[in-house]
Amino acid sequence: QKEVEQDPGPLSVPEGAIVSLNCTYSNSAFQYFMWYRQYSRKGPELLMYTYSSGNKEDGRFTAQVDKSSKYISLFIRDSQPSDSATYLCAMSAGEAASKLTFGTGTRLQVTL
Amino acid sequence: DAGVTQSPTHLIKTRGQHVTLRCSPISGHKSVSWYQQVLGQGPQFIFQYYEKEERGRGNFPDRFSARQFPNYSSELNVNALLLGDSALYLCASSPGQGYGYTFGSGTRLTVV
Repeated sequence: QKEVEQDPGPLSVPEGAIVSLNCTYSNSAFQYFMWYRQYSRKGPELLMYTYSSGNKEDGRFTAQVDKSSKYISLFIRDSQPSDSATYLCAMSAGEAASKLTFGTGTRLQVTL
Repeated sequence: DAGVTQSPTHLIKTRGQHVTLRCSPISGHKSVSWYQQVLGQGPQFIFQYYEKEERGRGNFPDRFSARQFPNYSSELNVNALLLGDSALYLCASSPGQGYGYTFGSGTRLTVV
């Protein structure tokens, strides 16, 4: 069993929809949780960074962490075609600048 | 402000050869990590360096080695290349504890 599970998709939604992306994990030592966006043939771009449980909002993006359920989510409001990319969740057990364990990524397509 | 820069961007090597990949972190970032991303998968941790010392090593064979220089730039070396080493190699840097990683665009290595 992988430490981090993420539905690979693809997930197709119409422009303006609310998108929900999720990851589950098995390692209870994970404390730092991140979401990255990766466009084709590019490196991952950090979208959200959260420590421990709770919610964090940044513009159209909201990240939620539920450590009791070992479940994290990323919500994208008013989705745009430019949001079409692969979204990767990542986690670490130690300080944030340490080994990241990634999910496989969910491919999102926002259609006009 | 320049981001994380990696060179070369693309590389084709023959089985059994050796390769050196280079990374320049964001100015002021002392932590550098290397990840391997196979098509359709999330990045896999290879190495982390902080203040020129190895702080972590992933589940990769001894053919993989790395180092960090006094200016915090880094090299990843892979000996005796195998077809399975074909992947996108990502370098990421961070200021240290409490911050997420910023990734470069990667070096795409093809082994033939």
